[in-house]
Amino acid sequence: DGGITQSPKYLFRKEGQNVTLSCEQNLNHDAMYWYRQDPGQGLRLIYYSQIVNDFQKGDIAEGYSVSREKKESFPLTVTSAQKNPTAFYLCASSMNRLYSNQPQHFGDGTRLSIL
Amino acid sequence: GEDVEQSLFLSVREGDSSVINCTYTDSSSTYLYWYKQEPGAGLQLLTYIFSNMDMKQDQRLTVLLNKKDKHLSLRIADTQTGDSAIYFCAETLPSSLGRLYFGRGTQLTVWP
Repeated sequence: DGGITQSPKYLFRKEGQNVTLSCEQNLNHDAMYWYRQDPGQGLRLIYYSQIVNDFQKGDIAEGYSVSREKKESFPLTVTSAQKNPTAFYLCASSMNRLYSNQPQHFGDGTRLSIL
Repeated sequence: GEDVEQSLFLSVREGDSSVINCTYTDSSSTYLYWYKQEPGAGLQLLTYIFSNMDMKQDQRLTVLLNKKDKHLSLRIADTQTGDSAIYFCAETLPSSLGRLYFGRGTQLTVWP
């Protein structure tokens, strides 16, 4: 079945450590997105990529980095510069931006906590 | 603007109808979406409506769009305990290149 796979489901970070969250999709979607969700705050966009080898900052990109070397994969690194990384992270994908109705499809999320 | 507003909580009794409301500020919205999130899970697309439509019905779900007032609603008929979840509305704009702008979500609680 086609879908979006996020791993791991739970992740713990030590002080000063970088961690990488994986997101893989087999929907043949061009665009991919990373969101952060905190209780009561909805979804905030971290980074997004409309095409391979290109990505743009979202609203809260500081302390995060991404790469888009393959169409299927859009890993998110939470760096030590992100002082409050504890949150639920969601990855999404959608078809090419040239099509009008292209809803985003979501993975099941990764919950990141600080040790 | 990309402000999308929702009330945070709604409680209903099982079997009643639920109405979740959403307002947005940008009149150029093209598509508007409703997503459902169950605890610890990702977002599941429930339905969507194109901006030139007033209403869309899909089984127990009815979406109403009032473009003049920039108001979107989701009605769930015969609400069940399994409908308890967070519901997000989202809009996309012609200039946003597929990016969605989400409301903060409405926590729906269904009492037996």
